[in-house]
Amino acid sequence: AQSVTQPDIHITVSEGASLELRCNYSYGATPYLFWYVQSPGQGLQLLLKYFSGDTLVQGIKGFEAEFKRSQSSFNLRKPSVHWSDAAEYFCANSGAGSYQLTFGKGTKLSVIP
Amino acid sequence: KAGVTQTPRYLIKTRGQQVTLSCSPISGHRSVSWYQQTPGQGLQFLFEYFSETQRNKGNFPGRFSGRQFSNSRSEMNVSTLELGDSALYLCASSSLGGGEETQYFGPGTRLLVL
Repeated sequence: AQSVTQPDIHITVSEGASLELRCNYSYGATPYLFWYVQSPGQGLQLLLKYFSGDTLVQGIKGFEAEFKRSQSSFNLRKPSVHWSDAAEYFCANSGAGSYQLTFGKGTKLSVIP
Repeated sequence: KAGVTQTPRYLIKTRGQQVTLSCSPISGHRSVSWYQQTPGQGLQFLFEYFSETQRNKGNFPGRFSGRQFSNSRSEMNVSTLELGDSALYLCASSSLGGGEETQYFGPGTRLLVL
């Protein structure tokens, strides 16, 4: 069965500092990987996704993620965090022929001014 | 294009009642999925519909059901509500529902069961 692990439940960073949110997946074939962000009281917004090709993926709001098959990881990064980035971030995966997303438990990001 | 819309946004019910939630996908999208989000269990897949057919179902009891109409709008129903059904219910749509497609999420319906 597919599983997604986000080891960090809560991360606090200072505004302007760099950010890395960790995600590990478990899937036999080539996974399709996603990062979503959820602000309080809102639905999920897609930040970026990876299917194949270049392992470094650029997304919206200045985010990027790198797919590392050897480590089964798909970590999300941002070089300089803004106060508006405070939210909860979810890593998710699916696969070929799959009609569902499997989500990690999420990482809540707090930003200190 | 208008995004995914869900109605109602908030709902309060009592144990034993039933509830119906509605989801209108993005125009042209034929796949609709439902997810339950709770603080303890996180985001869990309920079911997915495509062209009025349920293609996949998550590990939820039979009290949870859904359907999709010919215009791709979808409803989910929960019968005999339990306290543990209190959650944010999210609907997502995509063009064909394939694993590589982006799922576009609605704002959710927050259900409180008293």
